Amino acid sequence: DAKTTQPNSMESNEEEPVHLPCNHSTISGTDYIHWYRQLPSQGPEYVIHGLTSNVNNRMASLAIAEDRKSSTLILHRATLRDAAVYYCILDPFYGGSQGNLIFGKGTKLSVKP
Amino acid sequence: GAGVSQSPSNKVTEKGKDVELRCDPISGHTALYWYRQSLGQGLEFLIYFQGNSAPDKSGLPSDRFSAERTGGSVSTLTIQRTQQEDSAVYLCASSLSANSPLHFGNGTRLTVT
Repeated sequence: DAKTTQPNSMESNEEEPVHLPCNHSTISGTDYIHWYRQLPSQGPEYVIHGLTSNVNNRMASLAIAEDRKSSTLILHRATLRDAAVYYCILDPFYGGSQGNLIFGKGTKLSVKP
Repeated sequence: GAGVSQSPSNKVTEKGKDVELRCDPISGHTALYWYRQSLGQGLEFLIYFQGNSAPDKSGLPSDRFSAERTGGSVSTLTIQRTQQEDSAVYLCASSLSANSPLHFGNGTRLTVT
């Protein structure tokens, strides 16, 4: 199963942009890149996903490297409510166990006022 | 609209007892997932249901764990003869279809004494 590597923790200041990196050097051509975040005492929440092109939505932007071996989740202006654990996972589109989405330990983002 | 609902939110049980955890997915979602999360850890995949297909049980840690999904909707995760190492937060998620974003419930916190 393709795996991802993320820093254990990052810090940001409120109202500044945050770039959360993820390495997935063994990604296959049909794996989608998904990002979720988990606030304290809650289940994970979907943030964004993409395949090859950069993606934007109301929550964040996803920048995908040209070789797809890494990606970056961008929060344009961090707020205190963005403090959470951010997970980068790969979702295989074809074959295998589509349910077995491997969540690592993610990156714990702290936001300072 | 209503999200994924899990019950109970907290469960304390004695070692050796059986427990049942319930998940009500979002109406119309064909895929349903169970994960568990030990303190400070990432999510561990347990089981995946997709429509009428046979479930993917590859993540169940032992034969004490089982799950069913009745009528393609509500799911129950059963743990027999609970052990202390079963203590964790059990998370359920549903998605509209395979490869669609997952919607998680807030989990059931299971404590085995």
